[in-house]
Amino acid sequence: DGGITQSPKYLFRKEGQNVTLSCEQNLNHDAMYWYRQDPGQGLRLIYYSQIVNDFQKGDIAEGYSVSREKKESFPLTVTSAQKNPTAFYLCASRVGGYGYTFGSGTRLTVV
Amino acid sequence: AQKITQTQPGMFVQEKEAVTLDCTYDTSDQSYGLFWYKQPSSGEMIFLIYQGSYDEQNATEGRYSLNFQKARKSANLVISASQLGDSAMYFCAMNDPLFNKFYFGSGTKLNVKP
Repeated sequence: DGGITQSPKYLFRKEGQNVTLSCEQNLNHDAMYWYRQDPGQGLRLIYYSQIVNDFQKGDIAEGYSVSREKKESFPLTVTSAQKNPTAFYLCASRVGGYGYTFGSGTRLTVV
Repeated sequence: AQKITQTQPGMFVQEKEAVTLDCTYDTSDQSYGLFWYKQPSSGEMIFLIYQGSYDEQNATEGRYSLNFQKARKSANLVISASQLGDSAMYFCAMNDPLFNKFYFGSGTKLNVKP
């Protein structure tokens, strides 16, 4: 079945560490997105990519980095520059005028 | 800039009753799409319903309907015959056709009481 796979489901980061969240889709969607969700809050856009080898900053890109070397993959790195990374991270993809398809999310906690 | 406003942080509804979740939006675009998503406690986002700005009829999907009032810029979600499994967060979203990205509201937490 087609869909989006995010891994890991839970991730723990020590202070000063970089961590990478994986997002893979087999839907052949061109556009992919990363959102951050804090408890009881809505989704805020971190980065998005409309085609391979191209991506744009969203509303809260500071402290994050991405790459889009393959159509299927859009990994998100949370760098040590992100001072408050504890949150729920959702990856999504989209084709044409349709809505998003979301992954099941990664819950990142700083320990 | 586009903005989505959901003014109800939390709502309660009795099982089997109908409930309306409010959403207003702000855009200067003529062509746009409005979406509702459900987020259970497990975290995944489930697409519920879509309304295009040029659609003359309100969208319906099973027990979900979207009360679209374009002049008032509102896109309220109506859930009929609420079920216990409807307890979740509900997000209203609008797409930005120019940049191919979505804007989300802050969500409404719905609790269905038995």
